[in-house]
Amino acid sequence: EAGVTQFPSHSVIEKGQTVTLRCDPISGHDNLYWYRRVMGKEIKFLLHFVKESKQDESGMPNNRFLAERTGGTYSTLKVQPAELEDSGVYFCASSPPGTSALRSYEQYFGPGTRLTVT
Amino acid sequence: AQKITQTQPGMFVQEKEAVTLDCTYDTSDQSYGLFWYKQPSSGEMIFLIYQGSYDEQNATEGRYSLNFQKARKSANLVISASQLGDSAMYFCAMREFSNDYKLSFGAGTTVTVRA
Repeated sequence: EAGVTQFPSHSVIEKGQTVTLRCDPISGHDNLYWYRRVMGKEIKFLLHFVKESKQDESGMPNNRFLAERTGGTYSTLKVQPAELEDSGVYFCASSPPGTSALRSYEQYFGPGTRLTVT
Repeated sequence: AQKITQTQPGMFVQEKEAVTLDCTYDTSDQSYGLFWYKQPSSGEMIFLIYQGSYDEQNATEGRYSLNFQKARKSANLVISASQLGDSAMYFCAMREFSNDYKLSFGAGTTVTVRA
C-alpha cells in the first residue's frame, strides 16, 4: 500500500511568487492534515480536512494560504504571495475515517515539502 | 502556551547503550494521548509509540518504551540498545480530547548514535 506522498519534495521560490504544494493521502483515508515546521521551531498544525470539507483551519497563518481538497482525494496548499517567513517544511498526514478516538495514532505522515523563499 | 516541551536539542549516545529523551506536556484535559515520532534524514515522520492518559502501564514497542509519569506530566522516550540507524530527530506530540484531531509537537531532539 502506498503511503502519503507529497510533491514537490523541495521548492525554491522568490518572495512574491506563488507555490502550490500537493499531498496525496493514503487511499481511503478521509482525514487529511497539513502541518508546518518553520526552521528551528516546532511542527504546527495548519488545517484538517474530512473528505472535501475543512473541519478545522484554525492553524492557517493568514489569507495568503489556501488549501483545497476537491473530490476528497488529494489536497493542495497554495501560498500566494510567498513571504520569507513561509520557508519551512510542510507536512501532510492522513488517517482513516472514524478515527476520532484518542487512541487512533493512524496519522500517517508524508515526507514533507521543503519550501525555501528567497 | 507551549504544550509540549523537549529540553534537549541534541544528544549523543554510544551504540548499544540506552538513551532517554525528555518530554513534558501541559494540558488541562483528562483525556489525551502522547506520541513519539522519528524523523530520519530522509524526512519522513515515523510513528514510534503511543501512550493514552488512562493507560495504567507504560507503553512499549520493541526497543522503545515510554516512561509515563502522569503527575509530573512527563512522557520520556527510552531507546534501548541504540543502533546507528536510530540517529534521527525525535518529536514528542500530544493530542487532547478538547482539541479534536490536532497534534501539538515539541521542538524535537536530535539523536546521534556513535559507533
